[in-house]
Amino acid sequence: QSALTQEASVSGTVGQKVTLSCTGNSNNIGYYAVGWYQQISHGAPKTVMFGDSLPSGIPDRFSGSKSGTTASLTISGLQPEDEADYYCSTWDYKLSGQVFGGGTKLTVL
Amino acid sequence: EVQLVESGGGLVQPGGSLRLSCAASGFIFSSYWMSWVRQAPGKGLEWVANIKQDGNETYYLDSVKGRFTISRDNAKNSLYLQMNSLRAEDAAVYYCAKYPGNGKYFDYWGQGTLVTVSS
Repeated sequence: QSALTQEASVSGTVGQKVTLSCTGNSNNIGYYAVGWYQQISHGAPKTVMFGDSLPSGIPDRFSGSKSGTTASLTISGLQPEDEADYYCSTWDYKLSGQVFGGGTKLTVL
Repeated sequence: EVQLVESGGGLVQPGGSLRLSCAASGFIFSSYWMSWVRQAPGKGLEWVANIKQDGNETYYLDSVKGRFTISRDNAKNSLYLQMNSLRAEDAAVYYCAKYPGNGKYFDYWGQGTLVTVSS
């Protein structure tokens, strides 16, 4: 059971906007910014968003937001290369540990 | 360019030990928290351990406390994970990951090293 809750799977067509969510509590997402990581075919994770900031080299169709204890990653203008597993993560001060969501498998139809 | 290169993975018997290394370059290693994250076959990402810039503060996943030790050598720009009393459930790809200056998330990841625990 992951400390953060993500949808198991999300799908969308090319060009569509999709939003992935990550729900935690006041000890983690409610307190800290969230990182989002893309993993293609079980390769190394790649950071695609931290907080609401876009890392260098990540297309600006990716955006992030947070409301209370839920963080969201939005991909506007979905591309075939966006098909991947996406994980969210942040620190939990009560657990004194980094916590992850179980991951969302994004399928581009 | 930030690079994190893990090494040291391999096949080990249950109860055995292994030491993973992560060679860092492209940034001032001594200025950042570092972490190990693992991924068991077919499973999601799982945080394992963190270490502060000077090595004087560490945190561990409950299931590895007392068995794993994270350490660093800032002079060698290297991060380590000493894994003892290995169990089948420790089998995974282990990633080295870097924290940014003031965030509670990772900004860079290594390519991973595979640890297999089997007799």
